[in-house]
Amino acid sequence: GAVVSQHPSRVICKSGTSVKIECRSLDFQATTMFWYRQFPKKSLMLMATSNEGSKATYEQGVEKDKFLINHASLTLSTLTVTSAHPEDSSFYICSARYSPGTSGRPQETQYFGPGTRLLVL
Amino acid sequence: GQNIDQPTEMTATEGAIVQINCTYQTSGFNGLFWYQQHAGEAPTFLSYNVLDGLEEKGRFSSFLSRSKGYSYLLLKELQMKDSASYLCAIFGAGSYQLTFGKGTKLSVIP
Repeated sequence: GAVVSQHPSRVICKSGTSVKIECRSLDFQATTMFWYRQFPKKSLMLMATSNEGSKATYEQGVEKDKFLINHASLTLSTLTVTSAHPEDSSFYICSARYSPGTSGRPQETQYFGPGTRLLVL
Repeated sequence: GQNIDQPTEMTATEGAIVQINCTYQTSGFNGLFWYQQHAGEAPTFLSYNVLDGLEEKGRFSSFLSRSKGYSYLLLKELQMKDSASYLCAIFGAGSYQLTFGKGTKLSVIP
């Protein structure tokens, strides 16, 4: 399957600081990437849709000024958690949309990165 | 809107076969996915169905009936490593966003 990487895999920071998480599609170009958040034993919750070269689309209840998304290239999207607080501690996962015709694979799907575990103290 | 239902938990014996069902209601449909998620890890892609019928991939098969709003994931020859949550997700019409069910936690016992 396609490979999507995330960096860092784990981060601990102090309350009030900002944290940047990178999501890269390593072997295909992704015009669309998605950012999810997952709390322990809960479902994946979509935070925002990131489109290359345009502004991200945020889900209801997600603060766009707090969760800054930049999709600067076809292989990279970043999520910056600004002024992080303990309640922002969560598992953040990105996914990249793969479309048929890219790298010869037959079907539309989303491939997930390995996730970033954020702990805000 | 979209609504996805799947059982919360299931238990099955190593070597056996288990079927995880998923029912959905949606105003538009562009495909159904199954993902596997081990505890503390991100989901990994298992299967994608957009047409009715059965898709087989090794020990895993996925079935879709669009008229019934129903899918199942069939796991054969269960192994202990198959213990995980299995997520059913759909693409709505005109959107490439996935809507996930709450997942089915499968426990494989010896």
